[in-house]
Amino acid sequence: DTAVSQTPKYLVTQMGNDKSIKCEQNLGHDTMYWYKQDSKKFLKIMFSYNNKELIINETVPNRFSPKSPDKAHLNLHINSLELGDSAVYFCASSVPPGTQYFGPGTRLTVL
Amino acid sequence: AQSVTQPDIHITVSEGASLELRCNYSYGATPYLFWYVQSPGQGLQLLLKYFSGDTLVQGIKGFEAEFKRSQSSFNLRKPSVHWSDAAEYFCAVGGTSGTYKYIFGTGTRLKVLA
Repeated sequence: DTAVSQTPKYLVTQMGNDKSIKCEQNLGHDTMYWYKQDSKKFLKIMFSYNNKELIINETVPNRFSPKSPDKAHLNLHINSLELGDSAVYFCASSVPPGTQYFGPGTRLTVL
Repeated sequence: AQSVTQPDIHITVSEGASLELRCNYSYGATPYLFWYVQSPGQGLQLLLKYFSGDTLVQGIKGFEAEFKRSQSSFNLRKPSVHWSDAAEYFCAVGGTSGTYKYIFGTGTRLKVLA
């Protein structure tokens, strides 16, 4: 009965590869988010979708492409991975401006 | 500009001592305020929140926070820290209705000495 789940939990890959991270929430929220947490623990918002519509698109390289097939799912696809993409990626959902519920995170390591 | 400031990057306290983590915000409207905790290797868990009403709010794990509008602050407190409280703590602001973006502080890392 996990509220927000992400897969995979760990992702180790070579530079130049393409990878995807999946997120699902069973809270019935309309709004979902992707955050990037760097090695200094700083949380940076990347994208937000509301009911499958992109509403927040921060300054993120266009190698990152979110996709929301339905309001319970928000996936993140990353093309041509670079060393600087190594981070922990968190998915979250909410009914803004209320509490955000976070997934467990995906630790991406680019070699 | 909207912002959240956590002035203390690191805090070290002894087990059993009291704790106060500072949070200041800059926000044009009435903010929705949150404190989250992140244990090593984990996601963020909500400790407490303030939307309106009583300015002293109680949260999980014995934490409380006080909203002071005049000081634009929402400091987190705990009277007696346990070793398991060692973690990263984030203060965040959510906008009023119609705003989807949340603003997070840079976090405060708490270390607890036995």
